[in-house]
Amino acid sequence: SQQGEEDPQALSIQEGENATMNCSYKTSINNLQWYRQNSGRGLVHLILIRSNEREKHSGRLRVTLDTSKKSSSLLITASRAADTASYFCATPPRAGANSKLTFGKGITLSVRP
Amino acid sequence: GAGVSQSPRYKVAKRGQDVALRCDPISGHVSLFWYQQALGQGPEFLTYFQNEAQLDKSGLPSDRFFAERPEGSVSTLKIQRTQQEDSAVYLCASSQRRLADYEQYFGPGTRLTVT
Repeated sequence: SQQGEEDPQALSIQEGENATMNCSYKTSINNLQWYRQNSGRGLVHLILIRSNEREKHSGRLRVTLDTSKKSSSLLITASRAADTASYFCATPPRAGANSKLTFGKGITLSVRP
Repeated sequence: GAGVSQSPRYKVAKRGQDVALRCDPISGHVSLFWYQQALGQGPEFLTYFQNEAQLDKSGLPSDRFFAERPEGSVSTLKIQRTQQEDSAVYLCASSQRRLADYEQYFGPGTRLTVT
């Protein structure tokens, strides 16, 4: 079963534009992670945000977390063709100690040059 | 430094054959995870090792799936009597911290096709 659900399922933007992707989850969590997957580099960790954080930045990435709405968003600013990939949110299934992550189905982002 | 490596990268098996997939985690990483990823889907958790101990195997789909990590480093995922529904990419990930609440480093995966 997949706890996280991303939306939209697919997004196509022009290089230089910003991309916003959303993730909703069902149970209480202690952290939420975003990963990127493309054919060249496989699945790569982008950013982790903990339940006591509301916003986090890493380079051109900005992640927000709203635990009251059980949702997170990933913003990529000034997108590049190299950002073309699938993006997944992943959460542990509960707020305590977790031995697994559950991934959503992913968002396919296409950045047109 | 070296990342997570997996072998083989591609495996074609006839239905009913046994397969063994290998994962070499990053040296010193305590945690090792196996995931199964079907086409167009996100990775699905299979099993978790903390050093040599298999602490969670709740995601293994049937008793045909078996994983081991005998010395707390290299891990092998074995699938017996493969079925067509086993066709997927099998991903291995490792983490320097215990449990799943930290960044995981993924290998390139093994694409298994059962004919």
